Amino acid sequence: NAGVTQTPKFQVLKTGQSMTLQCAQDMNHNSMYWYRQDPGMGLRLIYYSASEGTTDKGEVPNGYNVSRLNKREFSLRLESAAPSQTSVYFCASKIPFPRPKAFFGQGTRLTVV
Amino acid sequence: GQQLNQSPQSMFIQEGEDVSMNCTSSSIFNTWLWYKQEPGEGPVLLIALYKAGELTSNGRLTAQFGITRKDSFLNISASIPSDVGIYFCAGQLNNNDMRFGAGTRLTVKP
Repeated sequence: NAGVTQTPKFQVLKTGQSMTLQCAQDMNHNSMYWYRQDPGMGLRLIYYSASEGTTDKGEVPNGYNVSRLNKREFSLRLESAAPSQTSVYFCASKIPFPRPKAFFGQGTRLTVV
Repeated sequence: GQQLNQSPQSMFIQEGEDVSMNCTSSSIFNTWLWYKQEPGEGPVLLIALYKAGELTSNGRLTAQFGITRKDSFLNISASIPSDVGIYFCAGQLNNNDMRFGAGTRLTVKP
């Protein structure tokens, strides 16, 4: 049982390059999330998808786009990478309220030079 | 955005000691979750709490949902070297966003 799978695990981009981070879950959850983790900041929500076909902005959406391709897959795209987007990115899927639990992938460590 | 206040930021303890960390918020939650993150990995769920006053254990870990619904704590008893990592709290109210603390980095000296 893989849970939440993210690819790639590591990536180095030059400023201005684009890339897509992939995420897939096999737990049949409706809700999926993208977070970024920076030192001393905890996890901050970039975008989320409450169900297939819907996406919404989180706390720090600027510079990112997302696609909920189907129930399993939720991708995060950086159209023009900036050094401020150097971070570790986590995808999560979640069991909803009233007993929510979030399950995370292993993360993508992105460096923008 | 609103973050939870998690303390302490870091702890250096001797193997065998007990550990206590907590999370506070100015807002109420009806869910508190505790996660552990090891280097190069994603956060892994340790304990989930859904009711004010609830006390739940998972092996040597015990967590409590504060009765005011604005705080939670996590205790680790008789620490061992593999307890090393960053511990995060997370709170959620109804269907709103799940909010995370900045983490407590735990180091255990053998």
